[in-house]
Amino acid sequence: KQEVTQIPAALSVPEGENLVLNCSFTDSAIYNLQWFRQDPGKGLTSLLLIQSSQREQTSGRLNASLDKSSGRSTLYIAASQPGDSATYLCAVNFSWGKLQFGAGTQVVVTP
Amino acid sequence: EAGVAQSPRYKIIEKRQSVAFWCNPISGHATLYWYQQILGQGPKLLIQFQNNGVVDDSQLPKDRFSAERLKGVDSTLKIQPAKLEDSAVYLCASSFGKFMGGSAHTTEAFFGQGTRLTVV
Repeated sequence: KQEVTQIPAALSVPEGENLVLNCSFTDSAIYNLQWFRQDPGKGLTSLLLIQSSQREQTSGRLNASLDKSSGRSTLYIAASQPGDSATYLCAVNFSWGKLQFGAGTQVVVTP
Repeated sequence: EAGVAQSPRYKIIEKRQSVAFWCNPISGHATLYWYQQILGQGPKLLIQFQNNGVVDDSQLPKDRFSAERLKGVDSTLKIQPAKLEDSAVYLCASSFGKFMGGSAHTTEAFFGQGTRLTVV
């Protein structure tokens, strides 16, 4: 069974610290992996898309890595800010076009 | 570029009533998804369309849920009759991905704001 797991479920850090969010998946035969941000009561905002042929992807303070062989992706957010407080979701494209989500990591950045 | 549009944003209905949600994807996006997100959980795929054909509806409760995508553009998701456990946020997403023969091209998925359904 193809599964996506995100640990921890919740994380609290002081402002300025780097955030490290983990995503693991059970099948290494993936098309791509996408990281999303979700604010309370809102939809999902796409942060980064990593194709299966890539090892990492960067956008501003965000960097996502992908290790298919170990079934892992990590999202790094540098120098966290209170505005980074949200739930971060990892979605894996196991079979064409079908995104399967983890349960998310709820992040709180305290001033 | 306009994003994925969904309506209504909120809906409260009594159990056993029916409800419909509407989604307008990003122009040119062939793939459209409907997801159900229960509070505290990640989104669960209900149905995936490629143009106006169904690619995957394995997790759609077909005894009460139905969906269609007319002319490969807008889509509607209907629940009839609703149950208390259908209370959730219903998310629509689209992507440019196309499946052509043995070659798959998947691209970034974009989500709408969602419809929050409360069944009382």
